[in-house]
Amino acid sequence: GDSVVQTEGQVLPSEGDSLIVNCSYETTQYPSLFWYVQYPGEGPQLHLKAMKANDKGRNKGFEAMYRKETTSFHLEKDSVQESDSAVYFCAPPSGAGSYQLTFGKGTKLSVIP
Amino acid sequence: GAGVSQSPSNKVTEKGKDVELRCDPISGHTALYWYRQSLGQGLEFLIYFQGNSAPDKSGLPSDRFSAERTGGSVSTLTIQRTQQEDSAVYLCASSSPAAGNTIYFGEGSWLTVV
Repeated sequence: GDSVVQTEGQVLPSEGDSLIVNCSYETTQYPSLFWYVQYPGEGPQLHLKAMKANDKGRNKGFEAMYRKETTSFHLEKDSVQESDSAVYFCAPPSGAGSYQLTFGKGTKLSVIP
Repeated sequence: GAGVSQSPSNKVTEKGKDVELRCDPISGHTALYWYRQSLGQGLEFLIYFQGNSAPDKSGLPSDRFSAERTGGSVSTLTIQRTQQEDSAVYLCASSSPAAGNTIYFGEGSWLTVV
């Protein structure tokens, strides 16, 4: 089935550092890509999405470009803030008739103030 | 309702007892999912429903786990003869093609087996 591979474990940038969290997927069958974010004590929630190839999802200063040629959807931010600290999950591509079942393993972002 | 609602939010049970976890998805969402998340871990897929049927049960960890959905709405996840390794947060989510296939999660049911 569809799957993704993302940067695993914990990332510890300092406030103001730039950030890249890698996400690579295996299929190009479906058009939409998503990142979800989970804050402590809460369920995951949509962070950003791109609906088709070459689209860029944006939210709270984060960006992710849907690159079909490299099958990637890396999450980037120029200058992280302490409030960005959370766990980020990359979801496999989806579209009508498909369902996002197997998320990436999650990347814990802990921004050092 | 406005969001995915789960109950109970917390449950402590004795080893060997059965538990039921309930999920109320967003109204009109056709797909419903159950995930398990152990402390500090990722999202482990358990089962998903399309309407009342479950096309994919591959994630259920053992035959002690079962789930049903009725009326295309409420779902119940049942764990029989609970074990300590069942302790985790059980997350329910729902989605709909009409809503762009974004998955909306509930706050989870925290299960502790003692």
